[in-house]
Amino acid sequence: RKEVEQDPGPFNVPEGATVAFNCTYSNSASQSFFWYRQDCRKEPKLLMSVYSSGNEDGRFTAQLNRASQYISLLIRDSKLSDSATYLCVVNPWKNAGNMLTFGGGTRLMVKP
Amino acid sequence: NAGVTQTPKFQVLKTGQSMTLQCAQDMNHEYMSWYRQDPGMGLRLIHYSVGAGITDQGEVPNGYNVSRSTTEDFPLRLLSAAPSQTSVYFCASSYGSPTGELFFGEGSRLTVL
Repeated sequence: RKEVEQDPGPFNVPEGATVAFNCTYSNSASQSFFWYRQDCRKEPKLLMSVYSSGNEDGRFTAQLNRASQYISLLIRDSKLSDSATYLCVVNPWKNAGNMLTFGGGTRLMVKP
Repeated sequence: NAGVTQTPKFQVLKTGQSMTLQCAQDMNHEYMSWYRQDPGMGLRLIHYSVGAGITDQGEVPNGYNVSRSTTEDFPLRLLSAAPSQTSVYFCASSYGSPTGELFFGEGSRLTVL
């Protein structure tokens, strides 16, 4: 089983739609959680950290469920510019927390 | 504001050749790392460093060497290139251990024939 698993998609949604991605992680000792965004042929960039209480940044909401070991990302009112691959990232606290684990990414395509 | 700079952006090698991917950051970050990204595999950690003079292995270190003689630079050496090392390589840095934001370079696309 992969340490961090994501549905690769693609998720094809119309503009204005709400879309949600889930990501499961296997190490219950994991401490930190993130969503990164990667545009085609570009480097990943931090979208948001995921806090235990959940957090929101504009149209984006991230949730953490420690009991079921998954994190989620909700995007409301999708824009064409949201088309990208969304990477789930977990710090499983190996080697004093110096090794992040990336999921394979979920591809989102927002259509006009 | 340069951030993390990687060179070269593209490289084609023949099997058995060696080369060095360069990475430099100007943010005074202590933590630096190298990842490779392959289709369907996600980013996998090759080596990382928590400060000058300190390096450690990641998930897929075989076939690669690193050194960290300065805070700014973290080169990745391919000792004897193999087709399995065809990939996109990313260098990344963060202020401390990666519990916060990781800043990535633009990537280096390597093809080994």
